[in-house]
Amino acid sequence: DGGITQSPKYLFRKEGQNVTLSCEQNLNHDAMYWYRQDPGQGLRLIYYSQIVNDFQKGDIAEGYSVSREKKESFPLTVTSAQKNPTAFYLCASSIGGGSGELFFGEGSRLTVL
Amino acid sequence: DQQVKQNSPSLSVQEGRISILNCDYTNSMFDYFLWYKKYPAEGPTFLISISSIKDKNEDGRFTVFLNKSAKHLSLHIVPSQPGDSAVYFCAASAPNSGNTPLVFGKGTRLSVIA
Repeated sequence: DGGITQSPKYLFRKEGQNVTLSCEQNLNHDAMYWYRQDPGQGLRLIYYSQIVNDFQKGDIAEGYSVSREKKESFPLTVTSAQKNPTAFYLCASSIGGGSGELFFGEGSRLTVL
Repeated sequence: DQQVKQNSPSLSVQEGRISILNCDYTNSMFDYFLWYKKYPAEGPTFLISISSIKDKNEDGRFTVFLNKSAKHLSLHIVPSQPGDSAVYFCAASAPNSGNTPLVFGKGTRLSVIA
């Protein structure tokens, strides 16, 4: 089945550690996105990529890093510089950048202990 | 500054009645609007959309209305069902202004009471 796969679904991390969240899609979509959801904050854009080997910062990119070496993959690293990393992280993709309907993965919940 | 606003964090409706979820936007360049539905611990799923050339789009129990002059859109669900209980996000984009990602509101939590 075509879709977006995020892993792991749940992740615990100690303060000061970096952690990488995986996002893979087999929809042949050009654009991929990372959002963060916090209670009462809605969906906030962290990074997005409209084409391989290129990505742009979203509204809350500080403390995060990404790479887009393959069309299918867009991993997100939550670094120790991110002050409030505990959140629900959502990966999405779309056929093209911009207005296209987004298809979301199931999400990854990161908890920093 | 929020470009897409959902001013009601929550809404409770009785089963069988109409649910009306509201969304306001400030960017006049937005010309395409979407609604997403999200259950806890899951990713959002696309529900319905509307282009600015229309003022209404209907899909089964779901209808979206767009009032461009007021920069306001609303999602009507009728009749409401318990399975509709979820968080609903309004999103907007400006396709003719470059490939900028969707902008989301903060969401409205709908509870449909049996």
